[in-house]
Amino acid sequence: SQQGEEDPQALSIQEGENATMNCSYKTSINNLQWYRQNSGRGLVHLILIRSNEREKHSGRLRVTLDTSKKSSSLLITASRAADTASYFCATGGGSNYKLTFGKGTLLTVNP
Amino acid sequence: ETGVTQTPRHLVMGMTNKKSLKCEQHLGHNAMYWYKQSAKKPLELMFVYNFKEQTENNSVPSRFSPECPNSSHLFLHLHTLQPEDSALYLCASSPPPGTSGTDTQYFGPGTRLTVL
Repeated sequence: SQQGEEDPQALSIQEGENATMNCSYKTSINNLQWYRQNSGRGLVHLILIRSNEREKHSGRLRVTLDTSKKSSSLLITASRAADTASYFCATGGGSNYKLTFGKGTLLTVNP
Repeated sequence: ETGVTQTPRHLVMGMTNKKSLKCEQHLGHNAMYWYKQSAKKPLELMFVYNFKEQTENNSVPSRFSPECPNSSHLFLHLHTLQPEDSALYLCASSPPPGTSGTDTQYFGPGTRLTVL
């Protein structure tokens, strides 16, 4: 069954604005990852947050994790047109190698 | 680029054709994966190989046949496909457990498959 569920399904903002995407999951996790996918391309790993971490930063990205609510959020600050892509959260990995992805949030950043 | 290449990038085939997708990783990883991505659906894991051994077959129809001759190469052999098999097929790889970044997967650009 699907583990990660992103919200919203689609988000359209203006360049310079911040974009926030959310992910909810169902079972306990060791870590949670966020990936980006440009249209028709492969996924690119953005950031991984471990279950004992509450917040992590990487450049313009900020990820939070609330294990009590089984949710995570991805914030992209000062968005650019090049940030236009689909964003996926994924859980799993480790010794069983299996990652489970959600359906993704399609972010459109208008110039 | 992530060091994972896939060929061809686009493929159109008839239902009676036989074709193969190829994936190659130059990252020294031990695990390789095939995923199927259809419109409006989550990414579906198809197969997992760890050190050339298949460790996962996610109830994939037998018309998809994977092959992993070594840790760097992965193939997906296709035969008598159906139009609903049209999708983006993504290959990925990941480092061995216990190494840095082991939970992260590195994806190729995908093969856009159209079955007529």
